[in-house]
Amino acid sequence: DAKTTQPPSMDCAEGRAANLPCNHSTISGNEYVYWYRQIHSQGPQYIIHGLKNNETNEMASLIITEDRKSSTLILPHATLRDTAVYYCIVSNIIQGAQKLVFGQGTRLTINP
Amino acid sequence: DTGVSQNPRHKITKRGQNVTFRCDPISEHNRLYWYRQTLGQGPEFLTYFQNEAQLEKSRLLSDRFSAERPKGSFSTLEIQRTEQGDSAMYLCASSLTGKLFFGSGTQLSVL
Repeated sequence: DAKTTQPPSMDCAEGRAANLPCNHSTISGNEYVYWYRQIHSQGPQYIIHGLKNNETNEMASLIITEDRKSSTLILPHATLRDTAVYYCIVSNIIQGAQKLVFGQGTRLTINP
Repeated sequence: DTGVSQNPRHKITKRGQNVTFRCDPISEHNRLYWYRQTLGQGPEFLTYFQNEAQLEKSRLLSDRFSAERPKGSFSTLEIQRTEQGDSAMYLCASSLTGKLFFGSGTQLSVL
């Protein structure tokens, strides 16, 4: 699995958009970009994933650059409940890779 | 609630004792994963089942750790002769399509 690089921490004001960057310059053509988050004392929670097109769901939007070497997770209107550690992972788990490999993620703090 | 249940939520044990954790995945999920997480770190992969077959085990995993998934349903993770370094959160996840659903974990404290 390709490695990812994320900032260790970020702050965002409540109600503003939170933009979390992720670099994955060694991503392979069949690897997807996954985002999970982990709120304190809970297991990680799936947010979104994509291959090369931008994706949006009820939780967030995922913007992947054309060369696929980086991506941004966007939480459009952050709330205090979005305070969590956010993990960016690249994997071809859909097509047969056995596992997701987590890094240390970005600790996002939403401030009132 | 993701539908993945882990028991117990907390376990305190003395060094040298054996402990066993249980994971009940979402019923139709054929893949089951165990991860371990220590404070300030991301979850670390331990092992993976597809149905009842254990397909991968981390090379970092001590022989004191063993996992089973009889009949491809629930899974157990046993740690023999626990050490203080085994203190961690043990997470279970299940999957059908590649999206992992995690339980709330079992917090192990080895005294």
